[in-house]
Amino acid sequence: SQQGEEDPQALSIQEGENATMNCSYKTSINNLQWYRQNSGRGLVHLILIRSNEREKHSGRLRVTLDTSKKSSSLLITASRAADTASYFCATGGGADGLTFGKGTHLIIQP
Amino acid sequence: NAGVMQNPRHLVRRRGQEARLRCSPMKGHSHVYWYRQLPEEGLKFMVYLQKENIIDESGMPKERFSAEFPKEGPSILRIQQVVRGDSAAYFCASSPYLDREQYFGPGTRLTVT
Repeated sequence: SQQGEEDPQALSIQEGENATMNCSYKTSINNLQWYRQNSGRGLVHLILIRSNEREKHSGRLRVTLDTSKKSSSLLITASRAADTASYFCATGGGADGLTFGKGTHLIIQP
Repeated sequence: NAGVMQNPRHLVRRRGQEARLRCSPMKGHSHVYWYRQLPEEGLKFMVYLQKENIIDESGMPKERFSAEFPKEGPSILRIQQVVRGDSAAYFCASSPYLDREQYFGPGTRLTVT
């Protein structure tokens, strides 16, 4: 099945800096999604990018997709303490559900 | 519009007991998914249901696990004769369409003692 793998596994930056996370997957996709999970909570959908899109913005989030390299990146600009969370990319979402990677654990230091 | 609701939030069971996890999808959402998350891992798909139908259960263990989504009431994930390895967080998600964003509940944390 399709699988997203995030890189790095963990990232610690200062508040106000930008955070970049990468995701690679293995097979063709219709879309790719990014989710955030705060400790002990459910996942929150952040953004969906379709296979025919190269870049998408939502507030301080910017997602890119390179289908030739089977990779995506999530950029969070001007990070805040509240951005501390785990971030997952996911592919699929059809009858066999979403396939998630292990996530990037982001820590924003004040 | 209330979000996806799951209960209980925490469930403790002794080995051999049964665990029942409930999920009420968002209003208007006919697609329901169950996922399991082990510590420090991403979520793993278990089963996909629509009203009264199991569409894909390829991620669910063949034994002891079952799921349903009746015409009336919440979706239920049932684990019979639980073992310690069943300890995990179980998340339910719903969506109005296939291949679109999914909305997750807060999860049920199952601990088997």
